Amino acid sequence: AQSVAQPEDQVNVAEGNPLTVKCTYSVSGNPYLFWYVQYPNRGLQFLLKYITGDNLVKGSYGFEAEFNKSQTSFHLKKPSALVSDSALYFCAVSHPSGGSYIPTFGRGTSLIVHP
Amino acid sequence: EPEVTQTPSHQVTQMGQEVILRCVPISNHLYFYWYRQILGQKVEFLVSFYNNEISEKSEIFDDQFSVERPDGSNFTLKIRSTKLEDSAMYFCASSEGRTSMNTEAFFGQGTRLTVV
Repeated sequence: AQSVAQPEDQVNVAEGNPLTVKCTYSVSGNPYLFWYVQYPNRGLQFLLKYITGDNLVKGSYGFEAEFNKSQTSFHLKKPSALVSDSALYFCAVSHPSGGSYIPTFGRGTSLIVHP
Repeated sequence: EPEVTQTPSHQVTQMGQEVILRCVPISNHLYFYWYRQILGQKVEFLVSFYNNEISEKSEIFDDQFSVERPDGSNFTLKIRSTKLEDSAMYFCASSEGRTSMNTEAFFGQGTRLTVV
């Protein structure tokens, strides 16, 4: 069965510093990987996805993520954090080649950017 | 920009009552989903719907749950006899297709269901 792990419940970073939110996945074969962001009392907003091709994918709001097959990771990154980036971030994986297009979500990581 | 809309934003119901949560997916999307998020916990898949039938469901989606697309725009989740543990935020989502170009799901803002 497919799964994702977000090892950090919370990440704290100072505004202007680079940020990384970690995600590892467990899928045999080729995964589809996604990042979503959730602001308070809002739904999940799609940020970016990796399907195939270039391991570095760029998404909304200056975020990017790097697919690393050998480490089964898909960490979310941003070169310079903003206070407004503070939110809950979810990594998700689906496994179409295994028969499931349904994204399975991690537990979420709370990102706090300090002024 | 097109978006998924859900109503109501907050529903309070007594244990044992039936509730219907409503969603209007993005108009050209073909795949529809319900997820739930119990407070402080992860987002859990309930059911997916395509071509007027359930395509996948999780073990959470038992006989108490049903989904329907009664017309060309609405997508509903019904819980027949609510339990306290059904209290959660329920998210509707839709995706355009299943190719690499359009497989990502877009989520509504959620309905917070409180069972008392």
